[in-house]
Amino acid sequence: AQSVTQLGSHVSVSERALVLLRCNYSSSVPPYLFWYVQYPNQGLQLLLKYTSAATLVKGINGFEAEFKKSETSFHLTKPSAHMSDAAEYFCAVYSGTYKYIFGTGTRLKVLA
Amino acid sequence: GAGVSQTPSNKVTEKGKYVELRCDPISGHTALYWYRQSLGQGPEFLIYFQGTGAADDSGLPNDRFFAVRPEGSVSTLKIQRTERGDSAVYLCASSLRGAGEDSPLHFGNGTRLTVT
Repeated sequence: AQSVTQLGSHVSVSERALVLLRCNYSSSVPPYLFWYVQYPNQGLQLLLKYTSAATLVKGINGFEAEFKKSETSFHLTKPSAHMSDAAEYFCAVYSGTYKYIFGTGTRLKVLA
Repeated sequence: GAGVSQTPSNKVTEKGKYVELRCDPISGHTALYWYRQSLGQGPEFLIYFQGTGAADDSGLPNDRFFAVRPEGSVSTLKIQRTERGDSAVYLCASSLRGAGEDSPLHFGNGTRLTVT
């Protein structure tokens, strides 16, 4: 069965510092992986997706993620944090049976 | 265009009461999902519709939960005899086809259900 694990339920970074949010996956087949962002009182919004076309995936708002099969990881990064990046981020894997399986989320705090 | 719309945005009910939560998906999206998000957790799958039929309801926690999508568009999640443990944010999502690499989910803002 597919699953994802997000390390760190809370991450704090300074404004303009590197953002790194960790996600490891478990899948018996080549996975389709996603990152979603959730702002307060809003639904989830797709940031980026990995579908095996390229291992480095670029998303919206300057975020990117790299698929590393050897490490079973799909970490989310952004070179320079902005105050508006403060939100909760969810990693998800497509289960292959029309379902997405979500991680428990990482709340990002950006310090001025 | 219009996104996924969920109503009400907030619902407070007493233990034992019946509630209905509504989801209006993006026009033309054949797939519709309900997820439940408890505090500090990621979204948890409840049920998936393809058209009018529930293709997968394996995530519904018990028989107090039921969902319909009679015309293949709007869906209603129904909870009978609500319990305090049902308190959560209920998220609806739709996609053009079934979920897959080229058909990501589009989420509504959710309905926050509080059972007192």
